[in-house]
Amino acid sequence: EIVMTQSPATLSVSPGERVTLSCRASQSVSTKLAWYQQKPGQPPRLFIYGASARATGIPARFSGSGSGTEFTLTISSLQSEDFAVYYCQQYNNWPPMYTFGQGTKLEI
Amino acid sequence: EVQLVESGGGLVQPGGSLKLSCAASGFTFSSYWMSWVRQAPGKGLEWVANIKQDGSEKYYVDSVKGRFTISRDNSKNSLYLQMNSLRVEDTAVYSCVRDGCLGLQGVVCYWGQGALVTVSS
Repeated sequence: EIVMTQSPATLSVSPGERVTLSCRASQSVSTKLAWYQQKPGQPPRLFIYGASARATGIPARFSGSGSGTEFTLTISSLQSEDFAVYYCQQYNNWPPMYTFGQGTKLEI
Repeated sequence: EVQLVESGGGLVQPGGSLKLSCAASGFTFSSYWMSWVRQAPGKGLEWVANIKQDGSEKYYVDSVKGRFTISRDNSKNSLYLQMNSLRVEDTAVYSCVRDGCLGLQGVVCYWGQGALVTVSS
């Protein structure tokens, strides 16, 4: 099983700041890496797939990078609506399964 | 509009059973792999099980193998999760998800709102 590790678990930031979230895979997943945003009481929303491609409707301030085992999600200038939990997910060994990181919570 | 609506959650004692259902609409259900993903209270996401379009392949996370069974009825556009020998650690919101977002297997665009399963004595 591929284990995904995100850091940090919680990040205290302010609107307007630039933030970088990290995700590490226990073995190479190539660029089969997605990022999801989840707000309280809502299902996750796909933000990034293929490590760096933005999903439909995702603002350009969000960017993803990386390959192999090291990945980052960067938000160039935090907006109030960006405070949420972000999960990375690998889908390189699908089927049969995919795995998520434990999440990074952005808080004010 | 794609909709996934779960039902069947509730409170059950350890060792008990529960069956979740997911009613799908707004897409050709029989064309997609489907999965169950769970989230324990205050915790992260965990893929639980998935099933191929025709039901011929099924996979499970190790922690539920031998206890949970995923199934589907394409004539009813429905996905199911039979959960037996439930444990306290199975307590979570269980969401039905459609795989294959943007044609990428393993990427998820559509999630249900989830059904809460509480295992407690």
